[in-house]
Amino acid sequence: DIVMTQSPDSLAVSLGERATINCKSSQSVLDSSINKNYLAWFQQKPGQPPKLLFYWASTRESGVPDRFSGSGSGTDFTLSISSLQAEDVAVYYCQQYYDTPVTFGQGTRLEIK
Amino acid sequence: EVQLVESGGDLVQPGGSLRLSCAASGFIFSTYDMHWVRQVTGKGLEWVSGAGTTGDTYYPGSVKGRFTISRENAKNSLYLQMNSLRAGDTGVYYCARGEKVGGKNYWYFVLWGRGTLVTVSS
Repeated sequence: DIVMTQSPDSLAVSLGERATINCKSSQSVLDSSINKNYLAWFQQKPGQPPKLLFYWASTRESGVPDRFSGSGSGTDFTLSISSLQAEDVAVYYCQQYYDTPVTFGQGTRLEIK
Repeated sequence: EVQLVESGGDLVQPGGSLRLSCAASGFIFSTYDMHWVRQVTGKGLEWVSGAGTTGDTYYPGSVKGRFTISRENAKNSLYLQMNSLRAGDTGVYYCARGEKVGGKNYWYFVLWGRGTLVTVSS
């Protein structure tokens, strides 16, 4: 199984500041034949299902604010929020869909400092 | 409206069985791969099964042999039969739809249900 490891486990950032969450996969999730990384990012708020933010590592889902960005390739990926807003407080997960079983990172809890 | 609605969650004793259902609407159910993803209380997300459009099924090792996913396209419904339940199976079970791009199915999840709670306890 591909193991997804996120860092840090929790993060406190001031409003308006940048937040960065990392995700590392135990093996590459890049399909070099199509040059696409099989990596998704989700945001989950209490009592709600996860919400897809990015797929193919950096393709923003419709309706996601452009202060969110996804980057990386191969085994190392990053989710960034350029200017943290109060509504961004949530737990964030990465997920690989390169291989079965699909696997998620353990989650990163983002709070306001 | 495009939506997924889960049902069937309950309190069940260790070793018991439970069947979850997911009702889909607003899209052509038969053309999408469908999945169950769970969230153990206070913890992270775990994919627990997938059902392809051609009847193929997939499981992680943690539930293989205990859980069975099935679908009934005529009823736009997905099911999860869970046997030999353990305390570690306690959590919220979400129904989720895989995505389709260029006619090919990929297993990232845009559409989720609200979840149904399964509690395994004596």
